[in-house]
Parts: sequence; C-alpha cells; structure tokens
Amino acid sequence: ELVLTQSPGTLSLSPGDRVTLSCRASQRVSSNYLAWYQQRPGQPPRLLIYGASVRATGIPDRFSGSGSGTDFTLTISRLEPEDFAVYYCQQYGSSLWTFGQGTKVEIK
Amino acid sequence: QLQLQESGPGLVKPSETLSLTCAVSGGSFSNTTYYGAWIRQPPGKALQWIGSISYTGSAFYNPSLRSRVTISGNTSKNQFSLDLNSVTAADSAIYYCARHHRYRNYFDPWGQGILVAVSS
Repeated sequence: ELVLTQSPGTLSLSPGDRVTLSCRASQRVSSNYLAWYQQRPGQPPRLLIYGASVRATGIPDRFSGSGSGTDFTLTISRLEPEDFAVYYCQQYGSSLWTFGQGTKVEIK
Repeated sequence: QLQLQESGPGLVKPSETLSLTCAVSGGSFSNTTYYGAWIRQPPGKALQWIGSISYTGSAFYNPSLRSRVTISGNTSKNQFSLDLNSVTAADSAIYYCARHHRYRNYFDPWGQGILVAVSS
C-alpha cells in the first residue's frame, strides 16, 4: 500500500499568510496522480487540485499544487478566512487509492 | 450540476450489515465515463476508499475490506448502494459517496456524508 504522510499536522496562521503543505509518498506516485482536497467542519471534502498541479473547476488561483515522484506541495498564496480547514492529499496512481492523514490550517 | 446524497440507518448493531444508498441527481449514473465510489472517515481519522462501481455493475474494492463489502448499482433508480457485513465499532464513521472518472480516479463531487455508529 502506498502511504501518504502529510506535514505538519497543524498550522496556526493568520489571514493573508502564505502557507505550504507537504505530502510525501512512501513510493513514487505513478504519473503524478495526486489530488488535494479541502474539508471544512461538517462538510464533505472538496476537490482542489488533481494531477498534482491542475486546479479543479471553480477553485481560486491562490491555490496551487506542485511536485512529482514522492514529494508534493499545496500552496495557498494568501489565506482567506474561508481557507481555514483540513487539507488532504490522495494518490490514485496505484490500484489501491489512499489518502494522507490531513493537515489542519487553523487561525492563529 | 451533479449531486449525490447518502441515505440509510445511522445506527447498526455489531455483527449486523450496514446498508447505505447513494442517490444521484442532476446527471445520470448510466454513464460509461464515470464510476460511483464509497469512502469513509472514522471520527478524527483519515479518509479510506472502500470501493467503486461502474454503471455496468462491475465493482472493485479496497483489499482490506473486500471480504465484507458489496457495492451494487441500480441504473433505473439512478443510485448505487453499499453493504458492509459483520460490522464492529471500528466501522463507525461518516460514509460518503462520490464520483470519479474511470481513468482519473480522484473524487468529485462528494455527497454530504452520513454518520453511521455501530453500537448495541
């Protein structure tokens, strides 16, 4: 099973801050098939990024994804109040699709 | 706009079968391009993909749950279902249904989710 490890577990930040979230895979993610999701309290996950760097429809351009192989990053250029949430990465390059354990972005 | 909605009991007894349904609206489940999926999230834990089904009824599962899971589809009702048998407290979770492309297996959109507790 391909394990995804997200770091840090929690980030305490202020609106307007730039944030970088990490997702590291236990083995290479085939074809950079990695997605990022945002989950606000009481809501289902929302797709932000797929293919490591492609923004999903309707996602603001302050969200960007990068990386390849085993190391991937989600960057939020300038935090808005609605961006305080939990973020998950997911790989779909292997036959068993797996998620990271999440990074919580909280208000400082 | 495609929408998915989970339904089913919120409480299941240990050793019994958890049965949920996902109703698809604003689009057809009968589409060769897309699959329906079930994903769960135990309280405070990570998301876990359970399994997926095509509109033709071809299903595939997470190996860790395969022995206990059945996912089936009903194209006439535009819905698909999850059965998980022999449940224990470890199966308590929010259960989500979602859609994914047959070749691009990220999930979008998701249903709102349904909380299922396993308890006597």
